[in-house]
This record gives sequence, structure tokens and C-alpha cells, in this order.
Amino acid sequence: NAGVTQTPKFQVLKTGQSMTLQCAQDMNHEYMSWYRQDPGMGLRLIHYSVGAGITDQGEVPNGYNVSRSTTEDFPLRLLSAAPSQTSVYFCASSTTGNLDTQYFGPGTRLTVL
Amino acid sequence: AQSVTQPDIHITVSEGASLELRCNYSYGATPYLFWYVQSPGQGLQLLLKYFSGDTLVQGIKGFEAEFKRSQSSFNLRKPSVHWSDAAEYFCAVDPGYQKVTFGIGTKLQVIP
Repeated sequence: NAGVTQTPKFQVLKTGQSMTLQCAQDMNHEYMSWYRQDPGMGLRLIHYSVGAGITDQGEVPNGYNVSRSTTEDFPLRLLSAAPSQTSVYFCASSTTGNLDTQYFGPGTRLTVL
Repeated sequence: AQSVTQPDIHITVSEGASLELRCNYSYGATPYLFWYVQSPGQGLQLLLKYFSGDTLVQGIKGFEAEFKRSQSSFNLRKPSVHWSDAAEYFCAVDPGYQKVTFGIGTKLQVIP
């Protein structure tokens, strides 16, 4: 099992550019989520999905879009990047149900100039 | 909405000394509680979790945590710290619908 994979590991964008952060898991987990990590802020939930075709907003969804067309993939899209989106982004997955923990990907470090 | 407070942003301990990292949460009921560790440049690794039952929870790498309902706390402890424990530690709360809230983290420095 590869677990949770994220690509790219590093990315530099200019303000206004768009890009997609990729996340994939091979554990057949129904639940997937995206977090951003900023110094002094901990991890904050951006969007999450409880299964293919179902997504919902987290704590800080503005400026980000997601879709879940398959169980394995959960891409995060930045339509028009802003410097405030400079952060480290983590994808996580888990099985459905409350008695579970999330498996985290290695992260994507994004810089928006 | 729930919240998590980690009052110590940075802690320094000597190798071999004991460690306690504090975590307080705010939520109307007893949530699911977690401690994660993040080494530099790495993702998060689960140390331990509390769902119910015994309030003293054992985790990996020799860590344990105690849930105290009366104090809304879930402090992480280790009796003897190793240099490899230097990392950032995050307390997290899950109220049960998987919208996990993380604390801001505590950076642990271990000195020889």
C-alpha cells in the first residue's frame, strides 16, 4: 500500500494562477479531507468528502474547490492563487465512522508570489 | 463549535527528563481526542487516541495521555525523553462528525 500520496511536493505560483493539488489513497477509504498548515495556526480543515460525489466545506473553504469523482482521488483546486494561500497542504483519508483516525499524506508546500 | 488550546508553543527539555505537553479542549460533550506528532518536513503521525473507557491511554513511542473530564484536558506525557522526540506535537479534537480541530501545536526541543 502506498497510503496517501500527494503531488507535487513543492510548488511556486504567481498571484492569479490556477493549479490543482493532487491527492490519492489506495486504502479504499470513504472519507478524505484537505487541511492547510500555517505557523501558529495549526491545521485547519479546508474541505472534506464522505464518499464519491459528496463534498462539504470545512473551516476555511474560500478560494478552494474540490470534487470527488472516485473513491481514490480528491484533488484540491486553486482557481486564482493569492499570497494568503501560501501554506503547507495536507491530504488525509480514513474509513467511515467515528471510531477511526486519519492517515495523512506527506504534504505539498505551496508558495504564491 | 469545538476548540483546542495548546498553551505552550515551545518547550525545551533535557534528554532523559520527563515531559508533559498540555492540551485543553472546549466542547459540549466528550469528544474524541488525539495527539499527533510531526517531524520536520513530514506529515502527521498518530501517537494515541481517546474515545472512551480508561482515561489513561497508551500510545506509540512510549507516550501516554490522560483524559480529565473535570479539567477538559488531555495532556501528553513521556517519562524519559529521547533526542529523537524533538518534533512538533498537535492535540486534536473530533466531536464525532469528523470535522477534526487541531491545536496550534507545541514544538519540543530536546537538549543533550
